[in-house]
Amino acid sequence: KNEVEQSPQNLTAQEGEFITINCSYSVGISALHWLQQHPGGGIVSLFMLSSGKKKHGRLIATINIQEKHSSLHITASHPRDSAVYICAVLLFGNEKLTFGTGTRLTIIP
Amino acid sequence: KAGVTQTPRYLIKTRGQQVTLSCSPISGHRSVSWYQQTPGQGLQFLFEYFSETQRNKGNFPGRFSGRQFSNSRSEMNVSTLELGDSALYLCASSLDGGWSGELFFGEGSRLTVL
Repeated sequence: KNEVEQSPQNLTAQEGEFITINCSYSVGISALHWLQQHPGGGIVSLFMLSSGKKKHGRLIATINIQEKHSSLHITASHPRDSAVYICAVLLFGNEKLTFGTGTRLTIIP
Repeated sequence: KAGVTQTPRYLIKTRGQQVTLSCSPISGHRSVSWYQQTPGQGLQFLFEYFSETQRNKGNFPGRFSGRQFSNSRSEMNVSTLELGDSALYLCASSLDGGWSGELFFGEGSRLTVL
């Protein structure tokens, strides 16, 4: 079983819809990153969380340490949000980023 | 402020050859980490350098190595290339280790091994 699980693997939605991507992990972590990867490969860091909630524009990320779960929300989705979203965690006692398999999001105009 | 620069962007090698990839971090950043991305395995951590010292290493064979120079630029080397080494190799820089702060990624070097 992967230490980091993302769901869904693929998500297609209409422009304007509210999007939620989930990330669950099996052991204690000290930090969690949400990353965005567009076709062509470049990766952009969206958020780094160790507790609570962060917001940047239409993006919101939350983390529940007790439940070992994080969510990434996109409000008023737009076709330019189409990308792969990747969750990465730093496990306690293991100073290496461990990645989820990614969620491929497609927003249809 | 210039971003993270990786060179070369694309390269083709044959089995048994070796390859060196370069990563220039954002000015002032002292940590550089490297990652391999393949369709089958996804993103995997290779190693992290900070102030010319390797701080962390992923689960890759000894054919994968790296180093960091005094100006924080980093190189990674893969010797005796195998077909399975075909991948996108990404580096990321951060001020003092991306584990507690934001990571800034380069565009990647896409390696094809024939």
